[in-house]
Amino acid sequence: DIQMTQSPSSVSASVGDRVTITCRASQGISNWLAWYQQKPGKAPKLLIYAASSLQSGVPSRFSGSGSGTDFTLTISSLQPEDFATYYCQQTNSFPHTFGGGTEVEIK
Amino acid sequence: EVQLVDSGGVVVQPGGSLRLSCAATGFTFDDYAMQWVRQAPGKGLEWVSLIRWDGGATYYADSVKGRFTISRDNSKNSLYLQMNSLRPEDTALYYCGKDSGRRRYNYGIDYWGQGTLVTVSS
Repeated sequence: DIQMTQSPSSVSASVGDRVTITCRASQGISNWLAWYQQKPGKAPKLLIYAASSLQSGVPSRFSGSGSGTDFTLTISSLQPEDFATYYCQQTNSFPHTFGGGTEVEIK
Repeated sequence: EVQLVDSGGVVVQPGGSLRLSCAATGFTFDDYAMQWVRQAPGKGLEWVSLIRWDGGATYYADSVKGRFTISRDNSKNSLYLQMNSLRPEDTALYYCGKDSGRRRYNYGIDYWGQGTLVTVSS
């Protein structure tokens, strides 16, 4: 199975900051990576698919990049509603494993 | 409007069985793969299982293989998860999810149910 490692596990940031989250796959997954945002008590929300494609309705301050084994999610200017936990998921091969999550906290 | 409604979660004893259901509306159900994802209390997301749009292929996490069975009834726009030989570590909120790519597996989950809680405890 492919292991997905996210870093950092948590980050403290202020409104307006640029935030970058990294996801590393234990083997190459081409560009088959998705990013999700989850707020407490809510189901996850798809932000990015195929590593860099923005899901419909998601603000353009979210962007994704990478291919192979190394990927990043960037929030260009953090907004109050962006404080949440973010997960990556590889969709290259089964099982479609998730990363451990990154909590974005208010500084 | 796409809607997924999960149901069936209860408290069950270790070794017991349970069937979860997910009722789907608002899209052409038999054009999309469907899946189950779970989240233990206070923990991260764990992918559980996926079934192809026509039911012709199924995939499982190692942690549930041989114990859980995913199925679908396209005539009823419904997804199911039969859970046998339940263990305390299966305790989690179970979400059903719709794959975002039509007749694809790779585009992530764009719609999620509200989740149904399964508690395995004596």
